[in-house]
Amino acid sequence: DAGVIQSPRHEVTEMGQEVTLRCKPISGHDYLFWYRQTMMQGLELLVYFNNKAVMDDSGMPKDRFSAKMPNASFSTLKIQPSEPRDSAVYFCASSFQPGNTIYFGEGSWLTVV
Amino acid sequence: AQSVTQLGSHVSVSEGALVLLRCNYSSSVPPYLFWYVQYPNQGLQLLLKYTSAATLVKGINGFEAEFKKSETSFHLTKPSAHMSDAAEYFCAVSKTGGSYIPTFGRGTSLIVHP
Repeated sequence: DAGVIQSPRHEVTEMGQEVTLRCKPISGHDYLFWYRQTMMQGLELLVYFNNKAVMDDSGMPKDRFSAKMPNASFSTLKIQPSEPRDSAVYFCASSFQPGNTIYFGEGSWLTVV
Repeated sequence: AQSVTQLGSHVSVSEGALVLLRCNYSSSVPPYLFWYVQYPNQGLQLLLKYTSAATLVKGINGFEAEFKKSETSFHLTKPSAHMSDAAEYFCAVSKTGGSYIPTFGRGTSLIVHP
């Protein structure tokens, strides 16, 4: 079975540009998570969805970040405008139900110069 | 609120030596506990999980962890380290009821010397 699929795997962009990260969760998983990983902060939860609805986005900077899940098999995380401090690895993950294993994608490596 | 503390950001062992990665948690209700491993340039993957069944949990690649309620610990061990075990290890705690969101520790980097 296919795991969580993320794209792009790597992106280098200039400060001020819009960045869109994409995610396809595992089929049948109702929960979708966006995490950011940096050396300084470790693994941070930005936002998570349950059945396509945002349940908690308290970890996401609202002024420049937005997350959407238009259907059960697709989610985007958008950064506009991007800043150098957004450079990180962004992971999408999904899970079937509470208490179950979270399955991570391979990550999107973002560099903002 | 739940939280996880991983003692030691880096642990260095020799190949063939015992691996011990420490994790302490706090939770107001019985927890689910997880260990995830992250190999270089990859996402996290589950090593093992505790969900209130047996307190000694066996995972993949020879790892195991023991849930000790009295010590609020869930330490990860492996009798004999292999070079391929070099990775970042994350402990996570999730409540059995209420908010499901798992809380991850800061991670421990395991370094294995020949």
